[in-house]
Amino acid sequence: GIQVEQSPPDLILQEGANSTLRCNFSDSVNNLQWFHQNPWGQLINLFYIPSGTKQNGRLSATTVATERYSLLYISSSQTTDSGVYFCAVHIPGRRALTFGSGTRLQVQP
Amino acid sequence: EPEVTQTPSHQVTQMGQEVILRCVPISNHLYFYWYRQILGQKVEFLVSFYNNEISEKSEIFDDQFSVERPDGSNFTLKIRSTKLEDSAMYFCASRDPGGDATNEKLFFGSGTQLSVL
Repeated sequence: GIQVEQSPPDLILQEGANSTLRCNFSDSVNNLQWFHQNPWGQLINLFYIPSGTKQNGRLSATTVATERYSLLYISSSQTTDSGVYFCAVHIPGRRALTFGSGTRLQVQP
Repeated sequence: EPEVTQTPSHQVTQMGQEVILRCVPISNHLYFYWYRQILGQKVEFLVSFYNNEISEKSEIFDDQFSVERPDGSNFTLKIRSTKLEDSAMYFCASRDPGGDATNEKLFFGSGTQLSVL
């Protein structure tokens, strides 16, 4: 099956710093989504981004489908950005989203 | 903003007991899903449901699991005889009927933490 790998696995930042999270996938996908799992366990959909670039406030995401990767940029990080960031992909012909193993982000004041 | 709601937020049960996890998807959504996350691990797909039938299931979703849409608003996951390894956070999700690719965004509920003792 498809492999979805995220890096780095863990990241510690000081408040105000910027960061880039990466998601690599091993096969063609129909779409890619980024989620934030907050410390209470909720999964929040950040971006639906099969290709191209999108921005939402301090967050932006870029997917280069032909090269099988996606990047999530967090600028001016805040303590509320802490949690686990997952990318997840839909492969052609399947209903299921396949999740990566996540990047655990801790933003310190 | 509409959201997926799940009840209960926590469920503790004895091994071998039946549990039913409940979800109310977003009202105009037609595709429904259950995922689970064992503590500290990635989110895993269990089952998808559309037009009153299962459209896809994973190898995790064995004969002990079943799903039902008993009425126009609820979507349930039943585990017939729980095992210790069923302990996990169970997430319900739903998405728009589709029409164009931008409607494939998946919305998750807050989860039910199931603890099997």
